[in-house]
Amino acid sequence: DAGVTQSPTHLIKTRGQQVTLRCSPKSGHDTVSWYQQALGQGPQFIFQYYEEEERQRGNFPDRFSGHQFPNYSSELNVNALLLGDSALYLCASSLRTSGSRDEQFFGPGTRLTVL
Amino acid sequence: SQQGEEDPQALSIQEGENATMNCSYKTSINNLQWYRQNSGRGLVHLILIRSNEREKHSGRLRVTLDTSKKSSSLLITASRAADTASYFCALYMDTGRRALTFGSGTRLQVQP
Repeated sequence: DAGVTQSPTHLIKTRGQQVTLRCSPKSGHDTVSWYQQALGQGPQFIFQYYEEEERQRGNFPDRFSGHQFPNYSSELNVNALLLGDSALYLCASSLRTSGSRDEQFFGPGTRLTVL
Repeated sequence: SQQGEEDPQALSIQEGENATMNCSYKTSINNLQWYRQNSGRGLVHLILIRSNEREKHSGRLRVTLDTSKKSSSLLITASRAADTASYFCALYMDTGRRALTFGSGTRLQVQP
């Protein structure tokens, strides 16, 4: 039973560029949430996808967008990258029918560095 | 801020000692969860305690929740060097956002 997987592991981009991060949820899960974790900080909620729609959103600008595919996998896109976007991006999956109140399963993260 | 605030920010102990981390929050919650993170990698779920529960155990972990004081504690007994990691409390609010709100974490160092 595969857990949550994310790709790539590491990524280096230049200011102004665009980036796409990918996530495959744990088998049987239908909800994907994305978090940004700056160095030395706790994760901050970006948004959550269920049934291919954005259902919840944290306090992040429109430069951050996402997508969920019919197989429940998800992408996070960030446009016009800023130095402050450098962070660990974490994907978490859960099962909607559980009310999403139970534990979330996290992937290993993608480390994004913006130069 | 609605997010949990962990205390202390950093903790260094010897192997075999107990480690206690605290989390305080300001809003009504459905549940509170504790996660562990090794060296900036993915988060591992440790334990979930619901708002109507006061104490839960899992192996060497003991979590308490006092909703009147809006605080929780995580106790790791008989610590091991392998327990060295960052520990985060995460709140699932009673209403509104269906996502976790994390604190800034406690960095635990267990000296062998």
